[in-house]
Amino acid sequence: GAGVSQTPSNKVTEKGKYVELRCDPISGHTALYWYRQSLGQGPEFLIYFQGTGAADDSGLPNDRFFAVRPEGSVSTLKIQRTERGDSAVYLCASSLRQGAGETQYFGPGTRLLVL
Amino acid sequence: EDKVVQSPLSLVVHEGDTVTLNCSYEVTNFRSLLWYKQEKKAPTFLFMLTSSGIEKKSGRLSSILDKKELFSILNITATQTGDSAVYLCAGGSNYKLTFGKGTLLTVNP
Repeated sequence: GAGVSQTPSNKVTEKGKYVELRCDPISGHTALYWYRQSLGQGPEFLIYFQGTGAADDSGLPNDRFFAVRPEGSVSTLKIQRTERGDSAVYLCASSLRQGAGETQYFGPGTRLLVL
Repeated sequence: EDKVVQSPLSLVVHEGDTVTLNCSYEVTNFRSLLWYKQEKKAPTFLFMLTSSGIEKKSGRLSSILDKKELFSILNITATQTGDSAVYLCAGGSNYKLTFGKGTLLTVNP
């Protein structure tokens, strides 16, 4: 079956603009995660959804970042007033259920470049 | 703060060599240790380890976890050029993964 998909693959924007990044999880997966990966680093946790609700958003760097998952499937990560430091690959992952024994499967990511 | 440290950060070998990648972790509410392979963007899942001392194997790759020493290794035998990638180790709590920086493996023909 289809894996996690993310759109767009690449996004170039100017400082101060608003961007939306989309994630389609694996069908039937209830848990969804966003991570951010800077060059030469491992992915860093941003936010986790169980169903429609954000169960943990402690990794969001500041209030310019917001994510939604209104119907418990597709999620959108929204970044307001983008800054050059927001440039990174934004990865989405999903798992069948929440929990320690559940493998997270990653999408190909969106590479965001803020000029 | 949770921390995962991988070593070496990079490694260059010749085809046919055997490599061992290391991962140490300090993760609150630790539940599992995961290994991923990242070639372009998407990390692809390799192994999840939850019990000490039980080796998991998939073809030429194998991994083992030591929960007493907070350590895991990933072994790749008879390396091939297609094994060239960044290998990521992550410590899992109830739902959050804390990743290391990865080991960049280059396998030359």
